[in-house]
Amino acid sequence: DAKTTQPPSMDCAEGRAANLPCNHSTISGNEYVYWYRQIHSQGPQYIIHGLKNNETNEMASLIITEDRKSSTLILPHATLRDTAVYYCIVRGGARGGSNYKLTFGKGTLLTVNP
Amino acid sequence: EAQVTQNPRYLITVTGKKLTVTCSQNMNHEYMSWYRQDPGLGLRQIYYSMNVEVTDKGDVPEGYKVSRKEKRNFPLILESPSPNQTSLYFCASRYTSGGGKLTEAFFGQGTRLTVV
Repeated sequence: DAKTTQPPSMDCAEGRAANLPCNHSTISGNEYVYWYRQIHSQGPQYIIHGLKNNETNEMASLIITEDRKSSTLILPHATLRDTAVYYCIVRGGARGGSNYKLTFGKGTLLTVNP
Repeated sequence: EAQVTQNPRYLITVTGKKLTVTCSQNMNHEYMSWYRQDPGLGLRQIYYSMNVEVTDKGDVPEGYKVSRKEKRNFPLILESPSPNQTSLYFCASRYTSGGGKLTEAFFGQGTRLTVV
């Protein structure tokens, strides 16, 4: 799986958009970009994933650059409850046991301030 | 409500005393796995199971056992716990859908284990 690089921490004001970047310059053609978050030692929570098109769901938007070497997770109106560690994970689409493993890096600690 | 349930949430035990952490999911997921999370090391996979009676080692399986006798349950067994197994443990599950479609993993709320 491709490695990812994320800033260790970011701050955001409550109500503003939070834009979390992720670099994955070695991503290959069949690898997806996943985002999970972990709120203070709770179980990680799935947010969104994409291959090459931008994606949006009720939680967030995912913008993937045309060359797919980087992506941005956007929380449109951050709240205090969005304070968490956000993980960007790149993994392939192949099926099979070891391919379902999620490799978590250090992630970005997003702090939403009142 | 779709969920992965782990028990207990907190456990303090002594070295060598066998323990089991249970994990149950209500989503009919084929795939289940266990992770441990340690400061500075992140989340690491211990064992996984593709379906009933099919289990395999993850990245850090030493000192752990698992079983998958029913689709919904995937207990983690520590036959002889040691202090280096003090950690935060997470169980996760997901579908292994056909056609290459990927689906998200659901995680339990965690079990904080302390071995003294």
